Amino acid sequence: KQEVTQIPAALSVPEGENLVLNCSFTDSAIYNLQWFRQDPGKGLTSLLLIQSSQREQTSGRLNASLDKSSGRSTLYIAASQPGDSATYLCAGLGDTDKLIFGTGTRLQVFP
Amino acid sequence: DTEVTQTPKHLVMGMTNKKSLKCEQHMGHRAMYWYKQKAKKPPELMFVYSYEKLSINESVPSRFSPECPNSSLLNLHLHALQPEDSALYLCASSQRPGLDTDTQYFGPGTRLTVL
Repeated sequence: KQEVTQIPAALSVPEGENLVLNCSFTDSAIYNLQWFRQDPGKGLTSLLLIQSSQREQTSGRLNASLDKSSGRSTLYIAASQPGDSATYLCAGLGDTDKLIFGTGTRLQVFP
Repeated sequence: DTEVTQTPKHLVMGMTNKKSLKCEQHMGHRAMYWYKQKAKKPPELMFVYSYEKLSINESVPSRFSPECPNSSLLNLHLHALQPEDSALYLCASSQRPGLDTDTQYFGPGTRLTVL
């Protein structure tokens, strides 16, 4: 059974810092790995999707990497801003067509 | 149009009530999903409709009944719920289920409170 864990569970940093959020999964047989952002009480916004054949994806200040062999993905946020404050969730898509979500990292960026 | 809409935004119901949640997308997506999310927890999959057929039911109690009248609309019928069913219910859709490029798009959710 796929299990997805995220470290750290919470993070509070000053504006401008570069951040790394970690995601680990137990079953390397994933089709893709996705990163989402969720603001309090809101739905999820897709940030990046990395296919199983890819190593990384970039969008603006965000860069996500995938290492299937070690069961790890990282989300790198450059030059963090207060608007980046949210919960970040990684999720792996397996052969059952189910998206298995990680435990999430709650990020707070203060001015 | 790249959004998934959900109604109502908030719902308060008693344990004997019958209510329905509605989800709609006009992106031509062929898969639609219901998730349940408790506070400070990740979303948990409940149901998946693929090409308007129920493809996944994650052993959800029968007091939750999904319905997919057409490819753009997804309902969740609620009956005789328990207080522990109070949660944020999220709907999502995706274009091509089963492909490694498939991204799920989420609605804003319905906040359900069962008294």
